[in-house]
Amino acid sequence: QQQVKQSPQSLIVQKGGISIINCAYENTAFDYFPWYQQFPGKGPALLIAIRPDVSEKKEGRFTISFNKSAKQFSLHIMDSQPGDSATYFCAASLGDDKIIFGKGTRLHILP
Amino acid sequence: NAGVTQTPKFRILKIGQSMTLQCAQDMNHNYMYWYRQDPGMGLKLIYYSVGAGITDKGEVPNGYNVSRSTTEDFPLRLELAAPSQTSVYFCASSYPRRGTYEQYFGPGTRLTVT
Repeated sequence: QQQVKQSPQSLIVQKGGISIINCAYENTAFDYFPWYQQFPGKGPALLIAIRPDVSEKKEGRFTISFNKSAKQFSLHIMDSQPGDSATYFCAASLGDDKIIFGKGTRLHILP
Repeated sequence: NAGVTQTPKFRILKIGQSMTLQCAQDMNHNYMYWYRQDPGMGLKLIYYSVGAGITDKGEVPNGYNVSRSTTEDFPLRLELAAPSQTSVYFCASSYPRRGTYEQYFGPGTRLTVT
C-alpha cells in the first residue's frame, strides 16, 4: 500500500530523444507526487511535482503525466541532453511530513 | 545560505564502533529527515523530526538514534556499527506549506563498515 513502483531501473536514450520513466502506486490517499533528480556524488533535488487534481504538468523539457484512475504517473524528458544523465526518483506523499520514494532509474543520454 | 550541510563526507568504521553523523540547516526549516541510500534500493527513511524536541521513527530505524535539541541541527547516531549499515546517508529538511512539500537534501555521507 505504501510502495511506489518505478520502472525501468536503467535507461539509455540517444541525444535529442524522449526519455520516459514510469511509476505506479496503490494508496489513493497520496496527494503529492514529486520527481527528484540526483547527479553522482550529490543529494537528490526536486525536479518537478504534481498534485492528483491535474493530469499534466510541464516545466521546460520536463513533463509529468498523471493518470489517477490507473494510479500511474510518468516523467517525460523531451529533447534529452547528455546533461540530463542522472538518477531519477519518483515519489509520493500522504501529507506534509513523509515522502515515499521509488527505487530510482539511472538515465544515460548518449552524445 | 549554505542550505543543508553534512559532515563528514566519508568515513570508514570498524564493526562495533560508534559515530555521529552531523547535519545542519540554515533555512529555519522545522522538518528534518535522515535517509539511507543503497544501490538500486532508493531512499529509505530512518528517522524524522517535525521540530525541536520531537523525533519519530521512519521505515528503517534499527541501529540508529537521533536527537533534535535545536531547529538547525539533527545528528544521527550509529551505535555498534554493523556491515549492514554501509550506505550513503542523506539528511534533508523541509518547510511544508499547502501545495508544496519540497525536501532539500544535503550532499551525503558515505559510510563503510568493515
